[in-house]
Amino acid sequence: AQKVTQAQTEISVVEKEDVTLDCVYETRDTTYYLFWYKQPPSGELVFLIRRNSFDEQNEISGRYSWNFQKSTSSFNFTITASQVVDSAVYFCALSEFGIQGAQKLVFGQGTRLTINP
Amino acid sequence: KAGVTQTPRYLIKTRGQQVTLSCSPISGHRSVSWYQQTPGQGLQFLFEYFSETQRNKGNFPGRFSGRQFSNSRSEMNVSTLELGDSALYLCATSPGGVRETQYFGPGTRLLVL
Repeated sequence: AQKVTQAQTEISVVEKEDVTLDCVYETRDTTYYLFWYKQPPSGELVFLIRRNSFDEQNEISGRYSWNFQKSTSSFNFTITASQVVDSAVYFCALSEFGIQGAQKLVFGQGTRLTINP
Repeated sequence: KAGVTQTPRYLIKTRGQQVTLSCSPISGHRSVSWYQQTPGQGLQFLFEYFSETQRNKGNFPGRFSGRQFSNSRSEMNVSTLELGDSALYLCATSPGGVRETQYFGPGTRLLVL
């Protein structure tokens, strides 16, 4: 069965520090997708990035970067020069596909990130 | 483009009652998925609908049901509410093809007393 583990339940850092959120996954599929979502206090899950299993290139988007390593089944997320607005719960997710294109997301337990001014 | 909308945003019910939640997808999105989020169990998949048909179902009791209309709007229903059904119910939509990103709505917070 698919499984996603986010071992860090809570992280607290001071503004401008760099912070890395860890994500480890388990799957038997050879083709799969990994996602990161951000959940601010309002509750909505905001999509951040999608990575497919064949693309191990690291990605950078502004202060955000992602490191995908298939060999260690990890998809880590780094925020550089953190800001108070980055405070949220971050979820890593793995796609599971069924018949006829049906898909569902398997989520990790989330990491609550607090950025202190 | 308008995002995913969910109504109502907040709901208080008592045990034994039933509740219906609604989700309107992003224009052009035909797949609608529902997730339940609780502090204890985290985010769990309920079901997914595409073209008015349920394509996928999670491990929830039959009290949880859903449907999708021809305009892709979806509703989920929970009958005979239990205290443990208190949760944030999130709807996510995608165009409906294979391996697409799901975009989430703001959720409906249900409190069962």
